Amino acid sequence: NAGVMQNPRHLVRRRGQEARLRCSPMKGHSHVYWYRQLPEEGLKFMVYLQKENIIDESGMPKERFSAEFPKEGPSILRIQQVVRGDSAAYFCASSPRGISQPQHFGDGTRLSIL
Amino acid sequence: GESVGLHLPTLSVQEGDNSIINCAYSNSASDYFIWYKQESGKGPQFIIDIRSNMDKRQGQRVTVLLNKTVKHLSLQIAATQPGDSAVYFCAENSQGAQKLVFGQGTRLTINP
Repeated sequence: NAGVMQNPRHLVRRRGQEARLRCSPMKGHSHVYWYRQLPEEGLKFMVYLQKENIIDESGMPKERFSAEFPKEGPSILRIQQVVRGDSAAYFCASSPRGISQPQHFGDGTRLSIL
Repeated sequence: GESVGLHLPTLSVQEGDNSIINCAYSNSASDYFIWYKQESGKGPQFIIDIRSNMDKRQGQRVTVLLNKTVKHLSLQIAATQPGDSAVYFCAENSQGAQKLVFGQGTRLTINP
């Protein structure tokens, strides 16, 4: 059974470029969450999506960041015009039935901004 | 405001001893709690969860205790092994909220 798959594992971008992070949830999971983690810190919630719907984006910056979870294909976290402060590990999690169920995490994408 | 914090940022134990990792939370509406283990370069790995209608739950070598009166959560690891070395996070959710709130983490190191 494949777990949550994230790619790429490492992504390097120059300031001003775009970063696209992909997440394929576990089979049978229709709820996807994105979190951000800085070194030596806990994970911070960004956005919660179900298929084709954004349910809660309260943790995501209003500008430059967007997320989608299309009917077909992986969930995408997109960061436009990246800045140095966007450097972090971005984790995706999925669950079968929404909150109050364990969320299962991928191994993250480490984003570095030059 | 809601927050989840940990009493100790690091914990060092002897191999074979029991480990206890503590977590405090401030949101009285929190009703679901999870412990995760994160190894270097990996994503958080689910260990055990507990709902607010329980005060204790046991898994394989792990026990989670919940004290709602003082808003305290603990993870007990029996007979700690070298493979238990990791950062441990508690996370909480309150009914109706669509996100987990994570604590800062406790780094557990095992002395041989």
